[in-house]
Order: sequence, then structure tokens, then C-alpha cells
Amino acid sequence: GAVVSQHPSRVICKSGTSVKIECRSLDFQATTMFWYRQFPKQSLMLMATSNEGSKATYEQGVEKDKFLINHASLTLSTLTVTSAHPEDSSFYICSALLTSGGAKQFFGPGTRLTVL
Amino acid sequence: DQQVKQNSPSLSVQEGRISILNCDYTNSMFDYFLWYKKYPAEGPTFLISISSIKDKNEDGRFTVFLNKSAKHLSLHIVPSQPGDSAVYFCAASARMNTGANSKLTFGKGITLSVRP
Repeated sequence: GAVVSQHPSRVICKSGTSVKIECRSLDFQATTMFWYRQFPKQSLMLMATSNEGSKATYEQGVEKDKFLINHASLTLSTLTVTSAHPEDSSFYICSALLTSGGAKQFFGPGTRLTVL
Repeated sequence: DQQVKQNSPSLSVQEGRISILNCDYTNSMFDYFLWYKKYPAEGPTFLISISSIKDKNEDGRFTVFLNKSAKHLSLHIVPSQPGDSAVYFCAASARMNTGANSKLTFGKGITLSVRP
């Protein structure tokens, strides 16, 4: 149980285009999902908290107009990187919060974004 | 300001021996701690957690110890196996004060190598 999927697993796009990444909780409902970004050999940096049916909460320094988050259902959150630039190239990971049995975050497999 | 610190970037142990991974934190509001295991290009996998009301939690080969006065926790893996080779992240949250949806703060991770 507690499986989280992400799609796509990797994407290469041209500078200036937008990319959408999906995060799904496959066997549980998650009112809260989180989006992280990881640079090589660095920690996971929380970008935003995605709440079903309401606006996402962004961490300081994260541009909400650039990283659009939509949590339209209890099993799906999407992150759209708008007008992507090469510096947006990174490993993006989502997690879904399972509240039963003690709140734990279960992570997706991540999405490798490369902006040319 | 690194609130969760994993000061050793790497650890190498012989198969069958004990692996001890250390983690320190500075935020006294943290009351819930987790360890995640991560392989390259994959999302973190939950291993074990501990609440601040306990000082030890054991699950099979994995045991987490918490020393609140020292703001220190450690993950013990015994016996270590080659398949345990991965990056291990320590994470903390302040659940009691901010609710179950509180975000996780991650350390930078430690790379464990278990030699056959």
C-alpha cells in the first residue's frame, strides 16, 4: 500500500515551453501533497504544499506564477513549470501525506526535467 | 540555516556489521523524526520513524534512537547488507504544534556503502 506515482519520469523540453508533472496517490486519498526539488548531492528542498480544493502554499523564494500547482482531486496533484529555463533543470519529487496510522509522507519516483 | 544536519556525507561498512547513521537537529519544535532511503533517480522510501515521546523504535534490522536533550538521533542497521547501499535522509517535522500536515525538513543525506 501507500504507492505514489509520477508522470513523466523524465522530460526534455526547449527553453520557454511549459511542462506539466503529475503526482498520483494510487491506493489512498491524500488531501495534502508536497512538491520537492533536488539538486545533485543536495537535500530535498520543499517547494510547496498542495492542498486539495484550495490554493497551494509556497515556500519562501519559490515563484508561484512559475511553478503552478493544481490539486483538483484527492489522488492527483500537478506541477506545471511555466516558461522553463535551463536553470529549472532538476529532479522534481512529489509526496502524498497518509494520515492514517500516523502522518507519513510517501514519495513518488521523481521526474528528471532537462531544459535545453 | 540547516535545521537538520547530517554531518558525515558518507559511510562505508563491511557486510554483516552494524551501520550507524547520525543526525542532529536544531529546532526544538521538532517532535517527529523519520528516516528515508533513496536510490539514484528514485524517490525516497520511508524506512522508520520515531515520535519525541519515545527514545527508541525498532523494526527488523532497523532501529532509530532519539536523544532529545542532545537533539540527536541515529539509525542503526544490523546486520548491514549490500542492498542497504543507498543515500539515507533524516527528516523532522513539528507535528504537535502545526498539525499532521506539517512539512518535513530534510538533512542533506548520507551515502552508505556496504562492502560484500
